Amino acid sequence: AQSVTQLDSQVPVFEEAPVELRCNYSSSVSVYLFWYVQYPNQGLQLLLKYLSGSTLVKGINGFEAEFNKSQTSFHLRKPSVHISDTAEYFCAVDDRGAQKLVFGQGTRLTINP
Amino acid sequence: DTAVSQTPKYLVTQMGNDKSIKCEQNLGHDTMYWYKQDSKKFLKIMFSYNNKELIINETVPNRFSPKSPDKAHLNLHINSLELGDSAVYFCASSRRGGEDTQYFGPGTRLTVL
Repeated sequence: AQSVTQLDSQVPVFEEAPVELRCNYSSSVSVYLFWYVQYPNQGLQLLLKYLSGSTLVKGINGFEAEFNKSQTSFHLRKPSVHISDTAEYFCAVDDRGAQKLVFGQGTRLTINP
Repeated sequence: DTAVSQTPKYLVTQMGNDKSIKCEQNLGHDTMYWYKQDSKKFLKIMFSYNNKELIINETVPNRFSPKSPDKAHLNLHINSLELGDSAVYFCASSRRGGEDTQYFGPGTRLTVL
């Protein structure tokens, strides 16, 4: 069965600093990859997704992620974070054909002024 | 004009009771889901329905019974509530599945005393 590992449970950074949130998934023939964000006391919303094509995917709020098939990774990056980026971030994978999202454990991003 | 709505937002009840959570989406999507988010923020799929038909039924106790009266609604009924059922339950919908973005409701925080 597919699994997703988010290597950091918490990431504190200062405002305007760059950030990378790491995500690895277990190998499969082909997958769809997603990053979702959950702001406090809210549901999840999509940041970006990789389906096929270019390995660098751009999303909302200045986030981007790079799909690396050989390392089975899909790390999320932002060059300069803002206080409003404080949230829980979830990486998820869907085995093509499974039509089922499997989520990582989440990474809490805390932005300090 | 909320896309995916859930009621109630909070539910506090005693062990052994039966309760329901309702979900509605106005996006015209064919697929709906129920997820459970535990106290450590881990998110796991419970069920998915496509056009009122059950597609995914993870290893969920049969005390949990989803019901889809039409493709815009997916309700979750829970019998004989247990302490371990305390969690946040999220409803989501997508156009179909797989590569399609899932849109999440705001969540229902269930507390079993």
